[in-house]
Amino acid sequence: DAKTTQPPSMDCAEGRAANLPCNHSTISGNEYVYWYRQIHSQGPQYIIHGLKNNETNEMASLIITEDRKSSTLILPHATLRDTAVYYCIVRGPQAGTALIFGKGTTLSVSS
Amino acid sequence: GAVVSQHPSRVICKSGTSVKIECRSLDFQATTMFWYRQFPKQSLMLMATSNEGSKATYEQGVEKDKFLINHASLTLSTLTVTSAHPEDSSFYICSARGQENTEAFFGQGTRLTVV
Repeated sequence: DAKTTQPPSMDCAEGRAANLPCNHSTISGNEYVYWYRQIHSQGPQYIIHGLKNNETNEMASLIITEDRKSSTLILPHATLRDTAVYYCIVRGPQAGTALIFGKGTTLSVSS
Repeated sequence: GAVVSQHPSRVICKSGTSVKIECRSLDFQATTMFWYRQFPKQSLMLMATSNEGSKATYEQGVEKDKFLINHASLTLSTLTVTSAHPEDSSFYICSARGQENTEAFFGQGTRLTVV
């Protein structure tokens, strides 16, 4: 699976948009971009995933560049409960393929 | 989203004893389940991948005789830590993925402390 690069930490003010970048320059054509987050002492929570097109759900938006070498996760109105470690993971579609976690980005939302 | 339930959430055991952790997919059939371990201030490390009815595939460096994985049904996988030692103390997390889904869902994790 392609590797990803994320900044180790980011800060965001409550109520503002949080934009978390991810580089995945070696991504293959059939690999998806997944985002998960982990709040302290809990299991990871699925946020969103995409292949080429931008995606939006009730939690976040995912913007993937046209060349697919990078993406941005957008939390439109960050709250204190969004403080967590955010993981960007690239993975193929095969059912038996595990998610391989990097170090992620620690997002701190403050009031 | 789909629900994965992991039990127990916390366990303390004595050195030399065995501990079993259960992972259940509550509203979908999980053809594949994954087990991870996470040490403090570190990321999740994949331990093994299991498919229902077949032997688990372990990652390099993970002892298959120490970490026994059973995936006997499409909704249940178990991880047994045998002859536990203090260095096995960690946060163990399971993940399940159904055939139709492309995303995997995670359990709440089990905090194991070996004393």
